[in-house]
Amino acid sequence: GQQVMQIPQYQHVQEGEDFTTYCNSSTTLSNIQWYKQRPGGHPVFLIQLVKSGEVKKQKRLTFQFGEAKKNSSLHITATQTTDVGTYFCAGPGATNKLIFGTGTLLAVQP
Amino acid sequence: DAGITQSPRHKVTETGTPVTLRCHQTENHRYMYWYRQDPGHGLRLIHYSYGVKDTDKGEVSDGYSVSRSKTEDFLLTLESATSSQTSVYFCAIRTGQPGNTIYFGEGSWLTVV
Repeated sequence: GQQVMQIPQYQHVQEGEDFTTYCNSSTTLSNIQWYKQRPGGHPVFLIQLVKSGEVKKQKRLTFQFGEAKKNSSLHITATQTTDVGTYFCAGPGATNKLIFGTGTLLAVQP
Repeated sequence: DAGITQSPRHKVTETGTPVTLRCHQTENHRYMYWYRQDPGHGLRLIHYSYGVKDTDKGEVSDGYSVSRSKTEDFLLTLESATSSQTSVYFCAIRTGQPGNTIYFGEGSWLTVV
């Protein structure tokens, strides 16, 4: 079946360093979404990308959708302690399902 | 929070007992989902519903059943709980804005001992 993988599973950075997580799908996606989950919390929607090669920015976060629409990345510039959490990508599966990636846990040391 | 309420939020139960988790929404959205989250596995879809009495299986549906008799309520039942079902369970709804974005409830922490 369809799979969505993310790397790395875990990343520890010093505050102020950059961070990138990568998402790869086994199938072409019509769109890709990103979610953030704070420790002890629930996943919260961040953004959706639809077009091939699309790049979107939210303050220090940059999201990119690959040209082949099978991969995506999230880059955080100059991480802050408020960026701590798990970042998930998700793509639409068959029949209205949303398939989540395995997630990347980001730890930021002050 | 898209008007989603999960109950109970925390539960400890014994192996072999039935457990029902409730998801309630206040905005009449058609699609509702149950996910479980476990370390190393991310979020996995258990069951979903696309309308009253219309449900379908996700990728990890064994050992779970669901019911949706009203638009606002989606129930997840563990007929006979096992330790492998110890997990955090998230209900979610799809609002259609934007696209097929889904919004999660706050989660139900279930421990089976």
